[in-house]
Amino acid sequence: DTGVSQDPRHKITKRGQNVTFRCDPISEHNRLYWYRQTLGQGPEFLTYFQNEAQLEKSRLLSDRFSAERPKGSFSTLEIQRTEQGDSAMYLCATALGGVSGNTIYFGEGSWLTVV
Amino acid sequence: AQSVAQPEDQVNVAEGNPLTVKCTYSVSGNPYLFWYVQYPNRGLQFLLKYITGDNLVKGSYGFEAEFNKSQTSFHLKKPSALVSDSALYFCAVREEGNTPLVFGKGTRLSVIA
Repeated sequence: DTGVSQDPRHKITKRGQNVTFRCDPISEHNRLYWYRQTLGQGPEFLTYFQNEAQLEKSRLLSDRFSAERPKGSFSTLEIQRTEQGDSAMYLCATALGGVSGNTIYFGEGSWLTVV
Repeated sequence: AQSVAQPEDQVNVAEGNPLTVKCTYSVSGNPYLFWYVQYPNRGLQFLLKYITGDNLVKGSYGFEAEFNKSQTSFHLKKPSALVSDSALYFCAVREEGNTPLVFGKGTRLSVIA
């Protein structure tokens, strides 16, 4: 499968614990996005990378959230000291940069449940 | 800042009938418009996009969408609905300059046999 790959698909954690999600992009896609989706809502933008550079962060991305893309390939999204309000699906998406009309392709998402 | 409105939370249609899922947008410049579909517990699948050119865009699974600049709309259509089209549909917009996609809240389509 050459699509966007996310791991794990499901994570249940206790409040206060740290969690990390991984995203492997489509090969050669230099733009990588993280979105969050809660039930009944559309995806909300969190942050994006051009290669290894983090170019934009949403105000939704609190200090407990950190994203990295160390070599411009895979990316990780870490949530520290999880809260119940963090329960959501975290979506990774990638695209070829440079042209505004390029399609953004999404992974299957990582479901987080904080208990 | 760009925004998208999907005025209907739910659309019900009989199998074989035409379907329309509505979307209006707001951007400061030229819009880049997208439709995605989401099946339960899955990610978003790309259906079609409007970048420039012909206002009628054809996409996957027989879907099409019509860009209307004067009405700032980009409605999704299909001539004959299938039960398997039942899913959650999202309209999204971005402005020039590789800004992130901004999504609507989604419309749940239910096709009844």
